[in-house]
Amino acid sequence: GESVGLHLPTLSVQEGDNSIINCAYSNSASDYFIWYKQESGKGPQFIIDIRSNMDKRQGQRVTVLLNKTVKHLSLQIAATQPGDSAVYFCAEYNGANSKLTFGKGITLSVRP
Amino acid sequence: ETGVTQTPRHLVMGMTNKKSLKCEQHLGHNAMYWYKQSAKKPLELMFVYSLEERVENNSVPSRFSPECPNSSHLFLHLHTLQPEDSALYLCASSQGHLQTYPLHFGNGTRLTVT
Repeated sequence: GESVGLHLPTLSVQEGDNSIINCAYSNSASDYFIWYKQESGKGPQFIIDIRSNMDKRQGQRVTVLLNKTVKHLSLQIAATQPGDSAVYFCAEYNGANSKLTFGKGITLSVRP
Repeated sequence: ETGVTQTPRHLVMGMTNKKSLKCEQHLGHNAMYWYKQSAKKPLELMFVYSLEERVENNSVPSRFSPECPNSSHLFLHLHTLQPEDSALYLCASSQGHLQTYPLHFGNGTRLTVT
């Protein structure tokens, strides 16, 4: 069946270091992937997306990598800042049944 | 600054009350959604509207009743809720209803059913 999961429930990083948040998905038919960030008391905020015809996409300080062979998605944050502390969700979209499935989320904590 | 505004931010209601959640999007999108977010669970899709027409109802109990009077406004009418309905209710919008465009979320309504 479909599942979107995150390898670790929490991640603690030192300010200034790079962060890598990982996500596994099980449906090889998924063709669109999105990362969201949710700060305390706010709704999820779109960070970056990637379609299945790409394996890498860069934004401002963030990079998403897609490995379709092992069904793995990662979000890299460069020079992590205190403002990056939040819960991060990956989501996969299956075009065959038009379903968008969210993962449970991972908490990123940035140590000063 | 979010382009999707939800009111109220917090709501406490008894099981016999009737209340409504309101959502307004200022992004010119043509699809709107209601999601439920419970602790330690993935976001659960409740309803999808595209061009004011409901295109998806994810087996949601009838005590939740959505309304979309136009492409900018979405309501969720609540009646005879149960304590397990306590959660964060998120509204979102997107350019298209097939969810291949990023969703833009509001900050949610924190609902507590007593």
